[in-house]
Amino acid sequence: DAGVTQSPTHLIKTRGQHVTLRCSPISGHKSVSWYQQVLGQGPQFIFQYYEKEERGRGNFPDRFSARQFPNYSSELNVNALLLGDSALYLCASSLQGPANTGELFFGEGSRLTVL
Amino acid sequence: KNEVEQSPQNLTAQEGEFITINCSYSVGISALHWLQQHPGGGIVSLFMLSSGKKKHGRLIATINIQEKHSSLHITASHPRDSAVYICAVRQGAQKLVFGQGTRLTINP
Repeated sequence: DAGVTQSPTHLIKTRGQHVTLRCSPISGHKSVSWYQQVLGQGPQFIFQYYEKEERGRGNFPDRFSARQFPNYSSELNVNALLLGDSALYLCASSLQGPANTGELFFGEGSRLTVL
Repeated sequence: KNEVEQSPQNLTAQEGEFITINCSYSVGISALHWLQQHPGGGIVSLFMLSSGKKKHGRLIATINIQEKHSSLHITASHPRDSAVYICAVRQGAQKLVFGQGTRLTINP
């Protein structure tokens, strides 16, 4: 069975550009969450989606947006990129919805470098 | 002060040693996760705890809700256990707050 898949695995952008990162959850998982991990630090929560609706949002500016599609895959969009957006972006899926504390399954991440 | 604090930040040990990594948190939680992150970046969930103790192979995780403290133990450590171990607590239904991680190196 495929695990959580993320694409692209690596990408380089310049300041001011925008980026779209993609995540496919484990089959049957309806909850997807996104995290940003800056080098040397622990991940930080960005968004959670369940059943195509945003159910939680971390302390990130409006330049960050996401959506979940009918097949439960998800996209994270970041506009007007800043140097500080350089990070590993992790996606995690879980079987249970936002009302339950389900086990998380993480993808390998998308490493974004902003020059 | 971070909501989730891990100690130590770095730990180097010899193969076979018993390892303990600690996690303290200052907020109310609904669950606590122990995660393992290898150099490539991918994260594997080791445990999810809301009370008591769990064991999986050579790994043991405990949590004391009253003291807001959890520990991850590794028995008979091996070089392949070398990784960053991250404690994360779930606040409410959505938000997951992560510790800074503990970098563990096991020398042969």
